[in-house]
Amino acid sequence: DIQMTQSPSSLSASVGDRVTITCRASQGINNNLAWYQQKPGKVPKLLVYAASTLQSGVPSRFSGGGSGTDFTLSISSLQPEDVATYYCQYYKSAPPEITFGQGTRLEIK
Amino acid sequence: QVQLQESDSGLIKPSETLSLTCAVSGDSINTGGHSWSWIRQPPGKALEWIGSIYHSGSSYYNKSLKSRVTILVDRSENQFSLKLTSVTAADTAVYFCARDKNIWNHGVFDVWGLGTVVSVSS
Repeated sequence: DIQMTQSPSSLSASVGDRVTITCRASQGINNNLAWYQQKPGKVPKLLVYAASTLQSGVPSRFSGGGSGTDFTLSISSLQPEDVATYYCQYYKSAPPEITFGQGTRLEIK
Repeated sequence: QVQLQESDSGLIKPSETLSLTCAVSGDSINTGGHSWSWIRQPPGKALEWIGSIYHSGSSYYNKSLKSRVTILVDRSENQFSLKLTSVTAADTAVYFCARDKNIWNHGVFDVWGLGTVVSVSS
């Protein structure tokens, strides 16, 4: 089974900073990678899928990149409302296999 | 606008069976094009995929839960369900139902229910 490892597990940055979260797959997954944002007590929100495609309505300061085993989620200019836990997710269909990373908690310094 | 609403289960005892339903509004399970899934999140922990059911009625499960999980569709009620047998404290979690984007992105979840808290305790 494919394992997804995120780093760092937590991160503190200042408003306006560029922030990057990394997700590594235990084996190559092409671009079958999504990113979600989960604010405290809230439902996960889809940010990026197919590694780099921004979901409709997501602010352009978010971007995804990578392929194969190494992926990134970047926020170009951190805003207070971006405080959340971010999860990467591997997905495959036929038959489906879905694995989430352990999460990265992002806080404002 | 598509909305998903999980039923309540609340507190259940160890060894009992957890049963949840997810009512779908604003979309029809019968039209195809999406799979319908259950995902859970133990307190303070990461998300865990439980399983998915496709329009065909075929269901697929997380290998770690496969022996205890059943996901079914009720097309007449436009809802799908989750049964998890022989629960333990480790099954305590918020349970979410979710819909994926489309047939080209099965497993990318763009619509989620609000979640329902399930506590397993004697």
